[in-house]
Amino acid sequence: AQSVTQPDIHITVSEGASLELRCNYSYGATPYLFWYVQSPGQGLQLLLKYFSGDTLVQGIKGFEAEFKRSQSSFNLRKPSVHWSDAAEYFCAVGSDDYKLSFGAGTTVTVRA
Amino acid sequence: ETGVTQTPRHLVMGMTNKKSLKCEQHLGHNAMYWYKQSAKKPLELMFVYNFKEQTENNSVPSRFSPECPNSSHLFLHLHTLQPEDSALYLCASSQGAGTGSTNSPLHFGNGTRLTVT
Repeated sequence: AQSVTQPDIHITVSEGASLELRCNYSYGATPYLFWYVQSPGQGLQLLLKYFSGDTLVQGIKGFEAEFKRSQSSFNLRKPSVHWSDAAEYFCAVGSDDYKLSFGAGTTVTVRA
Repeated sequence: ETGVTQTPRHLVMGMTNKKSLKCEQHLGHNAMYWYKQSAKKPLELMFVYNFKEQTENNSVPSRFSPECPNSSHLFLHLHTLQPEDSALYLCASSQGAGTGSTNSPLHFGNGTRLTVT
């Protein structure tokens, strides 16, 4: 069975500082990996996805993520956060039969 | 505008009420999904419809009844709910029900915040 772990429940970061959100997955084959962001009162918006190829994936809003098979990780990074990046972030892994498994989410607070 | 519209945004209902959640997608997708989001828990997949046919029922109690009359509309009929059913219910759509094989990620609506009293 597939599963996703996001070890950090809550992260606080200063505006302009770098951000890294951790994601570890368990899956028996080549995973399809996603990061979604959810602002308060909103649904989830896709930030980026990894299906195959280059292990460093660029997404929207200046985010990137790196797939590391040896570590079963897909960590999300942003070099310089903006106050508008305050939100909840979800990592997800998909299987060939389209069932997405989501992590419990990491809440990001941005302080001025 | 997300392309996936859910109504109502908020719903309060008693345990004996019957209500319905509505979802409409304007993206030309063929698959639609219902997810349940509870605080600090992973999203739970409830139902999947692919080309109007239900292809997934993730052990959801019968007090939740989905309906998909066409590829653009999805309903979730609710009756005799319990307080623990209070959550954010998210609708999503994708090109096809195959996030890997079709290279089609999910597009989510803004959800319906359901409170059962």
